[in-house]
Amino acid sequence: QVHLVQSGAEVKKPGSSVRVSCEASGDTFSSIYIHWVRQAPGQGLEWIGGRIPVLDTTHYAHNFQGRVTITADKSTSTSYLDLDSLRSDDTAIYFCANLFPDYEPRGWFDSWGRGTLVTVSS
Amino acid sequence: EVVLTQSPDLQSVTLRDRVTITCRASESIGTNLHWYQQKPGQSPKLVIRFASQSFSGVPSRITGSGSGTEFTLTINSLEAEDAATYYCHQSDTLPFTFGQGTKLEIK
Repeated sequence: QVHLVQSGAEVKKPGSSVRVSCEASGDTFSSIYIHWVRQAPGQGLEWIGGRIPVLDTTHYAHNFQGRVTITADKSTSTSYLDLDSLRSDDTAIYFCANLFPDYEPRGWFDSWGRGTLVTVSS
Repeated sequence: EVVLTQSPDLQSVTLRDRVTITCRASESIGTNLHWYQQKPGQSPKLVIRFASQSFSGVPSRITGSGSGTEFTLTINSLEAEDAATYYCHQSDTLPFTFGQGTKLEIK
């Protein structure tokens, strides 16, 4: 399984942007498909987006279209989540997860990071 | 998008009970449905993939079934370590979606 290490907690003002990183190890990065999922306090899991195997394109949930960008730096095996125009309801734990297997666009999340708490408050 | 509805939201259970959680999809998703277990303060962990396939390290008392629009997660002879929130997740259609979660509490 892939091992995912996320960046530390962030506190942001409303209207600002945040970048959360997720460094992967344990497999060739080109075979790793990182997705992002968030969980507001006391709430359920919400898929944000990620790169799809076989299609090799990045897709986003409707709720985040235009406000989120997921990128990857192959040289450091790191995926980045950038979220703009932050609001108080963006306060959540943001998880990265690996979509597995790399030959199946309809796979499952087999490895998860420990999560990054993003707090949006004035 | 595919809406996944789990029932119940909360279930109070007794040790050694047989527990059933249901996940209904708003449209057919074949067997592209996966189940995760999340304990407080932890990341989710996969317990069942593709509706009924077991996953390495998951106790055999946790099983899944179903296809199309109705899916079930069953825990036979519940143990204390099974107390957690369980989520279904569909990867059949983009955007991916999760159910709202079912919390199992031990009486």
